[in-house]
Amino acid sequence: QQQVKQSPQSLIVQKGGISIINCAYENTAFDYFPWYQQFPGKGPALLIAIRPDVSEKKEGRFTISFNKSAKQFSLHIMDSQPGDSATYFCAATIGGSNYKLTFGKGTLLTVNP
Amino acid sequence: GAGVSQSPRYKVAKRGQDVALRCDPISGHVSLFWYQQALGQGPEFLTYFQNEAQLDKSGLPSDRFFAERPEGSVSTLKIQRTQQEDSAVYLCASSLGEMNTEAFFGQGTRLTVV
Repeated sequence: QQQVKQSPQSLIVQKGGISIINCAYENTAFDYFPWYQQFPGKGPALLIAIRPDVSEKKEGRFTISFNKSAKQFSLHIMDSQPGDSATYFCAATIGGSNYKLTFGKGTLLTVNP
Repeated sequence: GAGVSQSPRYKVAKRGQDVALRCDPISGHVSLFWYQQALGQGPEFLTYFQNEAQLDKSGLPSDRFFAERPEGSVSTLKIQRTQQEDSAVYLCASSLGEMNTEAFFGQGTRLTVV
């Protein structure tokens, strides 16, 4: 049973465009939702995270939108740049921590120059 | 070192061979995690250490998988009698606090069982 479903599997965006990646979760006990960025040959790196007591969190060009009732959250990358090309994973945990992350399957983002 | 270091970066094992994967966490980090990332998938939790204590091994897929962290720093993930389905990238992550701080991932070890 996949507890965190992520879409799309891949995404191609032009430079300067908006990249949107969506995730849906099943387990209502999840209470911490981080996004990770992974470049080829590297481990995942924490990008931004949100807790369910807020509906949106913004850090620079990256924004998480969270819909608790729909059990969905999304990552928006504004003014996408070629350097943003990577695989993005949404994740969820219980207990508000980075312990025992449950990851989505990932989205391969390509930003064309 | 500056980050989490894993070795070897790549390992090819013949089916039935035993392998050992090493993780050097960031110095002083209390928590250490192992994840398995199959091709085209997200990482999946294997096991968790707090210092030398293995507090959670619920994600280990079979009794062929064994992890240790005897002195609370370096950790080794051992896989006995490797099978083709064990082929994956094995990621190690460490964090400063017990659970509620950011986990930093290493580059992983890509294991290919032939």
